Amino acid sequence: EAEVAQSPRYKITEKSQAVAFWCDPISGHATLYWYRQILGQGPELLVQFQDESVVDDSQLPKDRFSAERLKGVDSTLKIQPAELGDSAMYLCASSPHPVASVYNEQFFGPGTRLTVL
Amino acid sequence: AQKITQTQPGMFVQEKEAVTLDCTYDTSDPSYGLFWYKQPSSGEMIFLIYQGSYDQQNATEGRYSLNFQKARKSANLVISASQLGDSAMYFCAMNERDAGNMLTFGGGTRLMVKP
Repeated sequence: EAEVAQSPRYKITEKSQAVAFWCDPISGHATLYWYRQILGQGPELLVQFQDESVVDDSQLPKDRFSAERLKGVDSTLKIQPAELGDSAMYLCASSPHPVASVYNEQFFGPGTRLTVL
Repeated sequence: AQKITQTQPGMFVQEKEAVTLDCTYDTSDPSYGLFWYKQPSSGEMIFLIYQGSYDQQNATEGRYSLNFQKARKSANLVISASQLGDSAMYFCAMNERDAGNMLTFGGGTRLMVKP
């Protein structure tokens, strides 16, 4: 069964360092999402891609976060510099449905758990 | 204002019994979708069930059913015949057409199934 792949699964870094997370969506899924999930809370959307274009990044802290999906397939989320408050699970999801579809079942990867010391 | 509210931080249920997890939502968009996801301790989010705002009937998927009460803006998840493997966090989520169909999640309910 096709799955969303994410790496690394765990990342420990010191504050002010740069970190990067990678996501490979299910083949053929044009829509890709990055979420941040703080422990004990629900996921919060950071950025949404349709193919290689950013559809919405209004919740992305752009002074330190960046996201790209250059060829419209896999995607990278970067944090530079990392801060203590960035410790969270970073989840990637993909959907076969376009952004315009209300039926928007999203398939999630296993996530990257980031700890900033 | 919270878009999605899950008022039960934690719930216990006896194995083989049914349990209802509450979810209320807030929107003025006539076109929206409601989703439930399960998150085991391993961390991945597993899609369970979907209800569209124009759907006339309550959604069902195996042991999962969604009790959709549009006028009350509630979308409760009912799990029948609970199993030990149902122990997990459960998240209710909504998307709205006028908000670009982005998913907004509630705070979650931790369900614990007792043997």
